[in-house]
Amino acid sequence: QVQMVQSGTEVKKPGASVTVSCGASGYTFSNYGFTWVRQAPGQGLEWMGWISAYNGNTKYAQKFQGRVTVTADTSTSTVYLEMRSLRYDDTAVYYCVRDGYCTTTSCYSNALDIWGQGTMVAVSS
Amino acid sequence: DIQMTQSPSSVSASVGDRVTITCRASQGISNSLAWYQQKPGKAPNLLIYGASTLYSGVSSRFSGSGSGTDFTLTISSLQPEDFATYYCQQANSFPRTFGQGTKVDI
Repeated sequence: QVQMVQSGTEVKKPGASVTVSCGASGYTFSNYGFTWVRQAPGQGLEWMGWISAYNGNTKYAQKFQGRVTVTADTSTSTVYLEMRSLRYDDTAVYYCVRDGYCTTTSCYSNALDIWGQGTMVAVSS
Repeated sequence: DIQMTQSPSSVSASVGDRVTITCRASQGISNSLAWYQQKPGKAPNLLIYGASTLYSGVSSRFSGSGSGTDFTLTISSLQPEDFATYYCQQANSFPRTFGQGTKVDI
């Protein structure tokens, strides 16, 4: 079964760090790219960053550059999102999503096709 | 960055209605446009990719069209399970960007 399963709810204090994990199954993990998207309460979808599990290349939204790190572990088929210096407005649901098929030359994406169930990260004192 | 602008932001409709949502990109993206449906408390689901290709398992009452900068999602005959929020997203380049969403309610 093709799916992505994320880690559970996190509650953090301002200034702390959080790591959210996302396990992929049902397909060859290293052939794909993966994106992280977040959604604050009552708000729309916000793209954060992307990684190629094929070669580890990453892309980040300028807003999160330097504060967010996306990594991929091909031995466990898991993608990670680390966010540092958490603020109250980082409170959101964080989604990992499969994004693009990767070859030796490039990654090709038509859409974000397989979504994790979402991880709630609450920042509260 | 490519800005995606959806309209309307919300639409009230009835079962059986035809509903059309538009999405405009700030620059040409060929056909690299996807549509998603999201219900409250759930992750979004992919409906259409490549501007007009229906994703596996998605009802044929959903259709997409457009190329370049202007795109449309049409629901031909609204069903009770279609009341949700819909997002467009450009897959042409990084950073990926989404429209602000269109809420379809009764």
